[in-house]
Amino acid sequence: AQSVTQPDIHITVSEGASLELRCNYSYGATPYLFWYVQSPGQGLQLLLKYFSGDTLVQGIKGFEAEFKRSQSSFNLRKPSVHWSDAAEYFCAVSNNDMRFGAGTRLTVKP
Amino acid sequence: GAVVSQHPSWVICKSGTSVKIECRSLDFQATTMFWYRQFPKQSLMLMATSNEGSKATYEQGVEKDKFLINHASLTLSTLTVTSAHPEDSSFYICSAARGPQETQYFGPGTRLLVL
Repeated sequence: AQSVTQPDIHITVSEGASLELRCNYSYGATPYLFWYVQSPGQGLQLLLKYFSGDTLVQGIKGFEAEFKRSQSSFNLRKPSVHWSDAAEYFCAVSNNDMRFGAGTRLTVKP
Repeated sequence: GAVVSQHPSWVICKSGTSVKIECRSLDFQATTMFWYRQFPKQSLMLMATSNEGSKATYEQGVEKDKFLINHASLTLSTLTVTSAHPEDSSFYICSAARGPQETQYFGPGTRLLVL
């Protein structure tokens, strides 16, 4: 069955610390991969996407993600987190239609 | 850019009434639009996919007579929640794409509360 898994429901990091949010997928073929961020009561903003080519993708707000085919993963990273990064993060995959992971809520400690 | 708007941003209605939510692509033509529903602290669930000029394709378990979708132009799709009930209260988000396999751009969402 096709699925998207974000193993971490909630992550807390200190401001300035590095961040990695995990995403694993299970699809028959390599789908298109996305990371979105959602602030409370808001819609979704696209951080980055992977269709093909370079497996390390750069996005907005200093985020990057690496596609690893062997691990069926597309983890999101940021070297230094800012307080404004606190939000809900969704990994999504698209293969004809888009499916979202359950989301990871990021809390940033001062 | 690729901006998508939704109107209204929030709505409160009485049980049994119908509510229409608009989704507009402001600076591009959207061949395909999607409607999602999000419950508190949960992920987005795809409700339906609509292609301009044709009937929407609904996900399993979504009542097409309950959630009427119209995609009459390349910049506008509407979702009408008919005879709304309290269990229909949710956050409804639309997205628009230039084509079926293109990147989706999301609207800001519409919060519906049915009393």
